[in-house]
Amino acid sequence: GAVVSQHPSRVICKSGTSVKIECRSLDFQATTMFWYRQFPKKSLMLMATSNEGSKATYEQGVEKDKFLINHASLTLSTLTVTSAHPEDSSFYICSATSGYTGELFFGEGSRLTVL
Amino acid sequence: AQSVAQPEDQVNVAEGNPLTVKCTYSVSGNPYLFWYVQYPNRGLQFLLKYITGDNLVKGSYGFEAEFNKSQTSFHLKKPSALVSDSALYFCAVRFLMDSSYKLIFGSGTRLLVRP
Repeated sequence: GAVVSQHPSRVICKSGTSVKIECRSLDFQATTMFWYRQFPKKSLMLMATSNEGSKATYEQGVEKDKFLINHASLTLSTLTVTSAHPEDSSFYICSATSGYTGELFFGEGSRLTVL
Repeated sequence: AQSVAQPEDQVNVAEGNPLTVKCTYSVSGNPYLFWYVQYPNRGLQFLLKYITGDNLVKGSYGFEAEFNKSQTSFHLKKPSALVSDSALYFCAVRFLMDSSYKLIFGSGTRLLVRP
């Protein structure tokens, strides 16, 4: 099946710094990518939907200026957590699809720890 | 509002017994329905999906799910549970909204299969 690669898998940073997480579709063109945040023992919260070449659509309550999402190509989307704080510590998961009826594939997730 | 409900936080079953993990949804239109499994600190793995057609869908690892439109349910089932099936299971719904589509998840159900 198709592969979605997410990098880094783990990152630790200091409070106030910015962290970038990459999500790549390795063997298909991902017209749409989704970014989720998962809290411990909780479900996945959809943060934003990004379509290649256009601005991301953020869910209500998600700060656009804090969680910058870029989908510059059909194989790469990035999530940048700006001015990270300890409450931003979480497990972030991306997913990618080639279309509405296309299969949806998930990355392995990135665990962010902000000290 | 569109939503997915998994009423059970945890399901316990003995190995060899049948298992059911429940899911109901509230989404307008004709949604696509999915089941995913997650192992600790990992991304999500696709199990099965319902798009259209036969209400009984067969998926990976011997799992199946039955779509019931009148009850708006999509329960996951397996005739004989394995200890290795112990994991976190998510029901998800994909639907169109404002000319784009979203995938939202239920709260997750932890399946514990005891030897």
